Amino acid sequence: DTAVSQTPKYLVTQMGNDKSIKCEQNLGHDTMYWYKQDSKKFLKIMFSYNNKELIINETVPNRFSPKSPDKAHLNLHINSLELGDSAVYFCASSQDSELAGGEQYFGPGTRLTVT
Amino acid sequence: AQSVTQLDSQVPVFEEAPVELRCNYSSSVSVYLFWYVQYPNQGLQLLLKYLSGSTLVKGINGFEAEFNKSQTSFHLRKPSVHISDTAEYFCAVSEWWAAGNKLTFGGGTRVLVKP
Repeated sequence: DTAVSQTPKYLVTQMGNDKSIKCEQNLGHDTMYWYKQDSKKFLKIMFSYNNKELIINETVPNRFSPKSPDKAHLNLHINSLELGDSAVYFCASSQDSELAGGEQYFGPGTRLTVT
Repeated sequence: AQSVTQLDSQVPVFEEAPVELRCNYSSSVSVYLFWYVQYPNQGLQLLLKYLSGSTLVKGINGFEAEFNKSQTSFHLRKPSVHISDTAEYFCAVSEWWAAGNKLTFGGGTRVLVKP
């Protein structure tokens, strides 16, 4: 069974459109994250949710809106897509325990291309 | 605020030769340290982690890393690389705080193993 899954794997869309990426984890973790990886492979956290509550919100345009219907799911909705949104988006999850040390488990990524 | 510096953006190495990837971090609190590997077009996979205890940490695929608190370093090594080790390697530091943990990544080191 896949631990952290994302859909879709590839997403090609035009500027101005609205799109969503879905993420699910079956590890029973309390915390989920969204990361953006740019073309130079730099990884930066965008959001973090703990038990459906937003706990980290980095400097991200408000066109990006995460939604967590339950602690196993964290979706990312993007409005009015721009060329600069093209990137690979990774979902991750971790156990909410200092003993776990913050190890995060990553999904396979969603490659978003905005044309 | 925590930060991670990976000193080499690319490391070419011949098959069966040793490799060392350098990582330095800065943080104002106790940290947990990780190395992740990203194979082409895939998500991130944990290689190894340092939480506490022995400063020499062994991971998967023959990799090991040494935590050096005085030098704030966590260098990754492998005594003999294989073609299959060609990938992007990320050093990361996790800072635990009351509301969860935040993982900060270095810029990545691309390892290219040549036959």
